[in-house]
Amino acid sequence: NAGVTQTPKFQVLKTGQSMTLQCAQDMNHEYMSWYRQDPGMGLRLIHYSVGAGITDQGEVPNGYNVSRSTTEDFPLRLLSAAPSQTSVYFCASSPQGGNTEAFFGQGTRLTVV
Amino acid sequence: DAKTTQPTSMDCAEGRAANLPCNHSTISGNEYVYWYRQIHSQGPQYIIHGLKNNETNEMASLIITEDRKSSTLILPHATLRDTAVYYCIVRVPSGTYKYIFGTGTRLKVLA
Repeated sequence: NAGVTQTPKFQVLKTGQSMTLQCAQDMNHEYMSWYRQDPGMGLRLIHYSVGAGITDQGEVPNGYNVSRSTTEDFPLRLLSAAPSQTSVYFCASSPQGGNTEAFFGQGTRLTVV
Repeated sequence: DAKTTQPTSMDCAEGRAANLPCNHSTISGNEYVYWYRQIHSQGPQYIIHGLKNNETNEMASLIITEDRKSSTLILPHATLRDTAVYYCIVRVPSGTYKYIFGTGTRLKVLA
């Protein structure tokens, strides 16, 4: 199994540009989420989904949109990139039930200039 | 979700046991203790979790005090590849399935 796959691994954007970070999992997990990690800090939850068609906001949702049209995919859209969104983004998935581990992707390093 | 307190950094000699402490004095009865680690800037990797009993798997052991206000992650024979940031997280395993990450403990295993 590939697990959780994030693309791209690196991206440079200009201020005001939009883009979509891709996240796909092949484990048929119900729960998926997006985190960002700024230098020297822990991960902060941006958005999450408990199943296809269901999404909700996390701690730091402003400037980001998500949708969940399939179980496998959970893309994160930056509407108008800002330098404050320079960060490493991680996608995670976990099976329904809750008392299980989460599987994280390898991250997307985004720089907004 | 309860907050956790961990030391900022620790060193451990290669081959020795690494004992990483975590305080979670406000933990509630239905919250579990989870441990993850992050090597370099890779995605966090699950290590172990438990409710109140001590747990062991192929990676580590988790010792939770009887009052559940603190816990210790034990890597029995640390190797250089165990150098990482270790996160202790307490959470209720339901609902949003949210993890609240602190800044963790930076463990350096020394040759």
